[in-house]
Amino acid sequence: KAGVTQTPRYLIKTRGQQVTLSCSPISGHRSVSWYQQTPGQGLQFLFEYFSETQRNKGNFPGRFSGRQFSNSRSEMNVSTLELGDSALYLCASSLGAGQGAGYTFGSGTRLTVV
Amino acid sequence: AQRVTQPEKLLSVFKGAPVELKCNYSYSGSPELFWYVQYSRQRLQLLLRHISRESIKGFTADLNKGETSFHLKKPFAQEEDSAMYYCALTRGATNKLIFGTGTLLAVQP
Repeated sequence: KAGVTQTPRYLIKTRGQQVTLSCSPISGHRSVSWYQQTPGQGLQFLFEYFSETQRNKGNFPGRFSGRQFSNSRSEMNVSTLELGDSALYLCASSLGAGQGAGYTFGSGTRLTVV
Repeated sequence: AQRVTQPEKLLSVFKGAPVELKCNYSYSGSPELFWYVQYSRQRLQLLLRHISRESIKGFTADLNKGETSFHLKKPFAQEEDSAMYYCALTRGATNKLIFGTGTLLAVQP
C-alpha cells in the first residue's frame, strides 16, 4: 500500500509569506499528526487531527494552523513566515487515536525561509 | 512536565561491540515508550515499543519504571546500525509523541 505522501518535498519562501504543506495519509488511516524537525529543537509536535477534528496542539504560535479533510488528507499552514520556521516538517498517520506506535511517517517537506 | 532525555548526542562504537543508547523520561502516569530510527536519507520509522517486548534487528529495550529509563541495547553492533535513534513517549488516547533529542550511533568497521 502507498505510504504517507507529503508535498512538496522542498520549498523556499521569503520572510512574511505564507505556506501550505500537504499530507496524504495511508489509505484507511484517520489520524494525521504534524511535527517540526530542526537541528536545534529536534522533533516537536505541532498538532494532531482525527476525523477532521484537531485533538491536540503543540506549543507553537497561532501562525501555525492545520486542517483535515473528509478524505483524511491534511494541510498545515504557516503565515507570516520567519527565518526560524526553516525546518523539516513531518507528517505521520495512524489508524486511530491512541496509536502512537502505529505511526507511519512521511519523508517530510523541507521548508527554507530566506 | 513530560520530557524525554537522551544524554548522548553521538555514540561511536566498533563493529561487534555492545551498544547501549540511553533514554530517561519524566512522566507522572504510565507512558508508552518507543524507539524510532532514522537511517541516512530515509524516513523516521518505528524500531520497537515497550508494550510489545519484542526484539527488532537484535535491539531490545526494557522499561524500568523505578529508574524511569528505557535504554536501547544490542549485544553486537553492525555497521548497518549506524543511524539516528530517537526515544519517544506518548500517553493514553493520544497520538502526540514527545521525542528526545536523538543519539547518532556510528558503528566503525
